[in-house]
Amino acid sequence: GENVEQHPSTLSVQEGDSAVIKCTYSDSASNYFPWYKQELGKRPQLIIDIRSNVGEKKDQRIAVTLNKTAKHFSLHITETQPEDSAVYFCAASGNTGGFKTIFGAGTRLFVKA
Amino acid sequence: DAGITQSPRYKITETGRQVTLMCHQTWSHSYMFWYRQDLGHGLRLIYYSAAADITDKGEVPDGYVVSRSKTENFPLTLESATRSQTSVYFCASRIGGSDEQFFGPGTRLTVL
Repeated sequence: GENVEQHPSTLSVQEGDSAVIKCTYSDSASNYFPWYKQELGKRPQLIIDIRSNVGEKKDQRIAVTLNKTAKHFSLHITETQPEDSAVYFCAASGNTGGFKTIFGAGTRLFVKA
Repeated sequence: DAGITQSPRYKITETGRQVTLMCHQTWSHSYMFWYRQDLGHGLRLIYYSAAADITDKGEVPDGYVVSRSKTENFPLTLESATRSQTSVYFCASRIGGSDEQFFGPGTRLTVL
């Protein structure tokens, strides 16, 4: 079945450094790749997304890249701040199966001040 | 975010009991989803619904039942709760034609 693998499971960086989280997906029909941020005890919230016809997308300190051939996509956070500390989930969905979204297992990011 | 709510927010029950988790959205979104969140597994889809009276299984549907008689409500029922169903449950909705899902605040369920 469809699968999304996410690495690393835990990431610790110093404030001001960059953080990179990587995901791979198995379903070649996937065409939408969102990233969610979940703070402790809160709901997941969309922070950025990318579609399969785009290779890269940026929004201030956050960027996402997509390599469709390799079925890889990554989240890049630059100039990290303590408030970036959270769990980040990647996901993949497509036009089949009712637009089901398959999530990665999550990455817990710690930004040390 | 206030447009999608879940109740109860916390629930403790015993093995074998029936439990219903409620989800309500005020946006008239056509799609609704139920996920469970467990450490190390991320969010796993239990059931989803494309419209009123249309539901389908997700990744982990066993032990759960859903219904959708009205567009705005999507209750999830555990017919006979088991300890393995202890989890945080998130409801989400999505408007037709868009990919973004909006999540409810979650229900923390403990089965003793």
